[in-house]
Amino acid sequence: EPEVTQTPSHQVTQMGQEVILRCVPISNHLYFYWYRQILGQKVEFLVSFYNNEISEKSEIFDDQFSVERPDGSNFTLKIRSTKLEDSAMYFCASSGTFRDYGYTFGSGTRLTVV
Amino acid sequence: GENVEQHPSTLSVQEGDSAVIKCTYSDSASNYFPWYKQELGKGPQLIIDIRSNVGEKKDQRIAVTLNKTAKHFSLHITETQPEDSAVYFCAAIGGGSEKLVFGKGTKLTVNP
Repeated sequence: EPEVTQTPSHQVTQMGQEVILRCVPISNHLYFYWYRQILGQKVEFLVSFYNNEISEKSEIFDDQFSVERPDGSNFTLKIRSTKLEDSAMYFCASSGTFRDYGYTFGSGTRLTVV
Repeated sequence: GENVEQHPSTLSVQEGDSAVIKCTYSDSASNYFPWYKQELGKGPQLIIDIRSNVGEKKDQRIAVTLNKTAKHFSLHITETQPEDSAVYFCAAIGGGSEKLVFGKGTKLTVNP
């Protein structure tokens, strides 16, 4: 069964450093998403991306965050200057068509900011 | 915006018993309600979903019911097995949005 692949599985970074979380969505999917889950809390929407632009973003997704699809396969989330409160599990997801809602999630990247 | 509440936060059942998890939502325009299972170290996996034009959907031992008037939906797992042990999340998508709004999750433990 097709999978969404995320790397790395765990990343530790110093506060103030930039991090890039990487995702390879399912190859024929067109809609891409990032969600995050702070330990013990709800899974929260960050951003959706379609046709090389952001289609929707949450209040969490401020100027410190950016997304990019640098080539035909990767989808990345960049955090420019990490803060302690950015520590969370970050999930990438993709879906085939708009309002299909058949999201497939990756296994996540655990980001620890120290 | 949409808000989803989920209960209970933990649920322990004996193997073979049924398990029921309930969620409420706030946005009457929400039209899609999926349920996800999350095992340790993995991402959420879709197990069943329901759209607002349907009241009930079943897939083998799993069923979901939706009451649009009361704005709540429930997951029913029958004949539970130890491998059903996981965290289950409900979610909703509101009208005009693409984003999933999740409940806080229910940790289900099925005791052999």
